[in-house]
Amino acid sequence: NAGVTQTPKFQVLKTGQSMTLQCAQDMNHNSMYWYRQDPGMGLRLIYYSASEGTTDKGEVPNGYNVSRLNKREFSLRLESAAPSQTSVYFCAGKIVGIGTGELFFGEGSRLTVL
Amino acid sequence: ILNVEQSPQSLHVQEGDSTNFTCSFPSSNFYALHWYRWETAKSPEALFVMTLNGDEKKKGRISATLNTKEGYSYLYIKGSQPEDSATYLCAQYNFNKFYFGSGTKLNVKP
Repeated sequence: NAGVTQTPKFQVLKTGQSMTLQCAQDMNHNSMYWYRQDPGMGLRLIYYSASEGTTDKGEVPNGYNVSRLNKREFSLRLESAAPSQTSVYFCAGKIVGIGTGELFFGEGSRLTVL
Repeated sequence: ILNVEQSPQSLHVQEGDSTNFTCSFPSSNFYALHWYRWETAKSPEALFVMTLNGDEKKKGRISATLNTKEGYSYLYIKGSQPEDSATYLCAQYNFNKFYFGSGTKLNVKP
């Protein structure tokens, strides 16, 4: 089992460029999440998908879109990157049905927008 | 959005010291409180998931308590070791979402 896999691990973009962060899990997670981590601010939820076919906004959704392609995959898209989106992005998954189930995180994707 | 706060922001202790830090969260509509350990250059990993008021969980030298009525949880590390150096995150889980505090960064000096 690979767990939760994110690609790419590093990316440099110019302002206005677009890109998609990919996340795939093989742990049978029902719920999947995208977080961003900025110094001194902990993890902030961008979007989440409680189950296949559904997506919802989190705390900081502006400038992002998501797609839950199937149960395994949950992608995050930046349509027009801005320097404020320079951050480390984490994808995570959780099994539903056990309400206290823990989050399993990917290794993170470091994005720099120039 | 739930306001989850952690204190202190950072902590420096000597090897062998015992230490503790706090997570505060809204007590209304409580469902679950999670603790994660986050080592540099790695991903956060779950330590504890706590749901019941008065809950106490332990894993080796690390333990946690939960008070849902007053909205706080303590994480304790007994006899800190350099390998305990990490950022410790707490998160409140509610309505399919996790709300994280900003973490306590622990540095244990040999």
